[in-house]
Amino acid sequence: AQTVTQSQPEMSVQEAETVTLSCTYDTSESNYYLFWYKQPPSRQMILVIRQEAYKQQNATENRFSVNFQKAAKSFSLKISDSQLGDTAMYFCAFMSRMNNFNKFYFGSGTKLNVKP
Amino acid sequence: EPEVTQTPSHQVTQMGQEVILRCVPISNHLYFYWYRQILGQKVEFLVSFYNNEISEKSEIFDDQFSVERPDGSNFTLKIRSTKLEDSAMYFCASRSGGGDTQYFGPGTRLTVL
Repeated sequence: AQTVTQSQPEMSVQEAETVTLSCTYDTSESNYYLFWYKQPPSRQMILVIRQEAYKQQNATENRFSVNFQKAAKSFSLKISDSQLGDTAMYFCAFMSRMNNFNKFYFGSGTKLNVKP
Repeated sequence: EPEVTQTPSHQVTQMGQEVILRCVPISNHLYFYWYRQILGQKVEFLVSFYNNEISEKSEIFDDQFSVERPDGSNFTLKIRSTKLEDSAMYFCASRSGGGDTQYFGPGTRLTVL
């Protein structure tokens, strides 16, 4: 079974600074996807960024980028130029490609507080 | 931009009552999911649905739960006899046939008294 671990329950960062959220996962599969979702106080799950395991290049989306280390099974999220609106719970998720149905396995989340 | 919608946003019910949570997935999507998040805990997979049948379910998804796509647009989760421990946020998600990203709805907060 797949497991996803987020070892930082809560983090704080000053506005405009950079912060990195950690995620590790355990799988025996070689073909999978990894995601970061953001959950603001409204509790809606919003996709932040995705990474395909067969791609060596790290994904980037504006101020968000990942450091994907496949051998180490690590998938960290870097937020540059943090903004107050980035305050949210961040969940790392693993998705197997073993079948078409592709359920997600989520980590326990990291609560990020961006301080003015 | 199309999005997944869910109703109601908050449902309060008495223990033992039946509840139906409704979702309207993105219109051309083929795969549908329900997840649940007990307050303060991680999001957990409940069930996936494709081609009008359950494709996979977790051990949480026992006989008290059922899903249905009654009319080609709605996707519902029914809990037949709610328990206190069913209190949680329930998220619906959908995915296109060729895609890998699941798009989540805003969730329904279920409170069982």
